[in-house]
Amino acid sequence: DGGITQSPKYLFRKEGQNVTLSCEQNLNHDAMYWYRQDPGQGLRLIYYSQIVNDFQKGDIAEGYSVSREKKESFPLTVTSAQKNPTAFYLCASSIPWPNYGYTFGSGTRLTVV
Amino acid sequence: QKEVEQDPGPLSVPEGAIVSLNCTYSNSAFQYFMWYRQYSRKGPELLMYTYSSGNKEDGRFTAQVDKSSKYISLFIRDSQPSDSATYLCAIGEPGTASKLTFGTGTRLQVTL
Repeated sequence: DGGITQSPKYLFRKEGQNVTLSCEQNLNHDAMYWYRQDPGQGLRLIYYSQIVNDFQKGDIAEGYSVSREKKESFPLTVTSAQKNPTAFYLCASSIPWPNYGYTFGSGTRLTVV
Repeated sequence: QKEVEQDPGPLSVPEGAIVSLNCTYSNSAFQYFMWYRQYSRKGPELLMYTYSSGNKEDGRFTAQVDKSSKYISLFIRDSQPSDSATYLCAIGEPGTASKLTFGTGTRLQVTL
């Protein structure tokens, strides 16, 4: 079955650590996205990529980094520069055009300990 | 002013009620309108998609778009406890490389 897989489901980070969240899709979608979800704030775009080896900053990119070396994969690294990383992170994919909406993964909950 | 405004709720209704969920938006360039349903600790799933003014029906769900008022709605008929979730509206515009702008979500609770 086609879909988008995020791992791990739960992740704990110590102060000063970098952590990487995995996102893999087998939908043959060109575009992939990372969102952060906090209570009362909805989904906020961190980074997005329309094509392999290219990505753009979203609205809240500071403290995050991404790579897009393969069409299927779009990992997100939460660096120590991100001062408030505790949140629910969602990865999504879509065809670039027309805009038929996103397919989301099941999310990763990151907690700072 | 946010580009997309959505009442966060929570909204509590008895089983069988008709539910109305709404979003307003400010950018008249928006052309694509979607509703997502998100269960607790899960990713959102696409529920309804439309790109024109008017109504679109799918089973118990009806999406309504009024571009002149910049207002979109989702109606749920004969609501069920399994409809209890957070509902997010999402809107896109041409030429923005498929980026969507999301509302904050409305939490719905359908009680027995």
